[in-house]
Amino acid sequence: DAGVIQSPRHEVTEMGQEVTLRCKPISGHNSLFWYRQTMMRGLELLIYFNNNVPIDDSGMPEDRFSAKMPNASFSTLKIQPSEPRDSAVYFCASSSRTPNEKLFFGSGTQLSVL
Amino acid sequence: GENVEQHPSTLSVQEGDSAVIKCTYSDSASNYFPWYKQELGKRPQLIIDIRSNVGEKKDQRIAVTLNKTAKHFSLHITETQPEDSAVYFCAAMNTGNQFYFGTGTSLTVIP
Repeated sequence: DAGVIQSPRHEVTEMGQEVTLRCKPISGHNSLFWYRQTMMRGLELLIYFNNNVPIDDSGMPEDRFSAKMPNASFSTLKIQPSEPRDSAVYFCASSSRTPNEKLFFGSGTQLSVL
Repeated sequence: GENVEQHPSTLSVQEGDSAVIKCTYSDSASNYFPWYKQELGKRPQLIIDIRSNVGEKKDQRIAVTLNKTAKHFSLHITETQPEDSAVYFCAAMNTGNQFYFGTGTSLTVIP
């Protein structure tokens, strides 16, 4: 298995533009998480899907952020419009209750909003 | 929800010495506690984990201990090497399968 796959690895955009981050979880995993990492706030959970259904989106900063999981093998995190304070590394991670709960991270997307 | 606290935030040790990182959690129903190592510019990588029905687990130079009564767990690294230098995160998983992370410990091993 190739692990959790995220794209793009790096994204540089201008304030006000729409940004879409993509994630492919590990095959067979039914839980998917989006995290944001910054020096100031560490690893913040943004949203959590179980069986493609959003379970907890209380970590989503504001209405500019939205996430979808149309099927078991694909999820997107969208920021519209983007702002400089959104600059961070965004990680996608996946896990499955069976055979174990191990959580695996993708390589992350380094987002810079100018 | 769950609240995970991690200490210290930075730790420097001489090569060959031991390093200990401690975490506490608030939700007594949390039942799975992984530890991650993150090198600069890389993703967090799972290095060891422990479930709530186990008190201690060891894998070569790293070990994790869990005290359910006190709701704390610790990572122990023995015979530290320069390549152990990284940021380490603890986490707790609750019954809803959600993972909550500590704020990280930046470990520096001085050659």
